[in-house]
Amino acid sequence: NAGVTQTPKFQVLKTGQSMTLQCAQDMNHNSMYWYRQDPGMGLRLIYYSASEGTTDKGEVPNGYNVSRLNKREFSLRLESAAPSQTSVYFCASSEVRTAVSPYEQYFGPGTRLTVT
Amino acid sequence: QQQVKQSPQSLIVQKGGISIINCAYENTAFDYFPWYQQFPGKGPALLIAIRPDVSEKKEGRFTISFNKSAKQFSLHIMDSQPGDSATYFCAATDRGSTLGRLYFGRGTQLTVWP
Repeated sequence: NAGVTQTPKFQVLKTGQSMTLQCAQDMNHNSMYWYRQDPGMGLRLIYYSASEGTTDKGEVPNGYNVSRLNKREFSLRLESAAPSQTSVYFCASSEVRTAVSPYEQYFGPGTRLTVT
Repeated sequence: QQQVKQSPQSLIVQKGGISIINCAYENTAFDYFPWYQQFPGKGPALLIAIRPDVSEKKEGRFTISFNKSAKQFSLHIMDSQPGDSATYFCAATDRGSTLGRLYFGRGTQLTVWP
């Protein structure tokens, strides 16, 4: 099992450009999440999806959109990138209904995005 | 408004020493408290977790202490090793929610000197 995979690993964008960060999980989890990590700010939730077909805003959703394409895939789109969106982006998944580790989130390796 | 407050932001400990990281929360609906460990260039991974029906949970050199009345919990790393150098995040959630959303602290960067 690959767990949670993210593409690309690195990306440099110019201000105003758009891009989509891809995330996929092979653990059959219902819930998926997008976080950004900035120095001193910890992990901040951008959007999450409790199940296929549903998405909800997290703590810092402005400037982002998401698509829960199917149960496996959850993408994050930056329509018009800004320097403030320079960050490391993590995708995660979890299965709330699992008895053993019901709230454990499994994280991908991250995407380092720089907006110039 | 930050749901979980974590301190210190950074911590330097000598090899063999005890590392202590503290977290506090306000939301009394929170009833599950995990800690995540993140190595440079990697995603966070679950380290240890506690439910509020116990005051302490120990796994090897890692111990969570939980004080329900004070709404505080802490991670203790005994006999700290250079390999423990990482960023640690505390988190909290409400098990009654089906969303599975975790509320993270801002993280503590631990450096263990050999």
